[in-house]
Amino acid sequence: AQKVTQAQTEISVVEKEDVTLDCVYETRDTTYYLFWYKQPPSGELVFLIRRNSFDEQNEISGRYSWNFQKSTSSFNFTITASQVVDSAVYFCALSEAGTGGFKTIFGAGTRLFVKA
Amino acid sequence: DADVTQTPRNRITKTGKRIMLECSQTKGHDRMYWYRQDPGLGLRLIYYSFDVKDINKGEISDGYSVSRQAQAKFSLSLESAIPNQTALYFCATSDTPGAGGIEPQHFGDGTRLSIL
Repeated sequence: AQKVTQAQTEISVVEKEDVTLDCVYETRDTTYYLFWYKQPPSGELVFLIRRNSFDEQNEISGRYSWNFQKSTSSFNFTITASQVVDSAVYFCALSEAGTGGFKTIFGAGTRLFVKA
Repeated sequence: DADVTQTPRNRITKTGKRIMLECSQTKGHDRMYWYRQDPGLGLRLIYYSFDVKDINKGEISDGYSVSRQAQAKFSLSLESAIPNQTALYFCATSDTPGAGGIEPQHFGDGTRLSIL
């Protein structure tokens, strides 16, 4: 069965600190996709990244980086030199190709507070 | 203008009332979804549609119904609202999976629904 666990409910850091948001997933499918979304205080959900199960390369986009490790079923998200604007709820999500991609399971989210 | 538009943005109503939440999109995507967000639970899928004539139940469809009036429009109805349907509701769209696999979802700004 699909499952996404974001064990960190809330994280609070001071500006310029690095922070890592954890995501652990469960799936029986060999082909699947992992996503991260950001929900700022304004409420909308913004897509950040997609990673498929065959591509374990880490990715960096500016201050954001993602570490995908199939051996530990994890897809962690690191923000380097955090800023106040990074304050948001971050969701990790999983879609299995075997379901045609219709069923995306979201984790419960991690609320990040970045203090000035 | 937003690519995925939800109306209304906020609604307060009484138990037993019929409510319709509307979603329209200009992204040209075939796939549309309705989710509800509750604190600590992430997003849960209510209904999804892959085409105008295609309607499918998600994990929490009881008490809800949908209508896909056109490719661009997908409405969610609460036939007889109850207080535990108080939540933040999101409409989302996604493109049909292509060479890159399952596509990310694009979300509206959400509708905050309160049922008294």
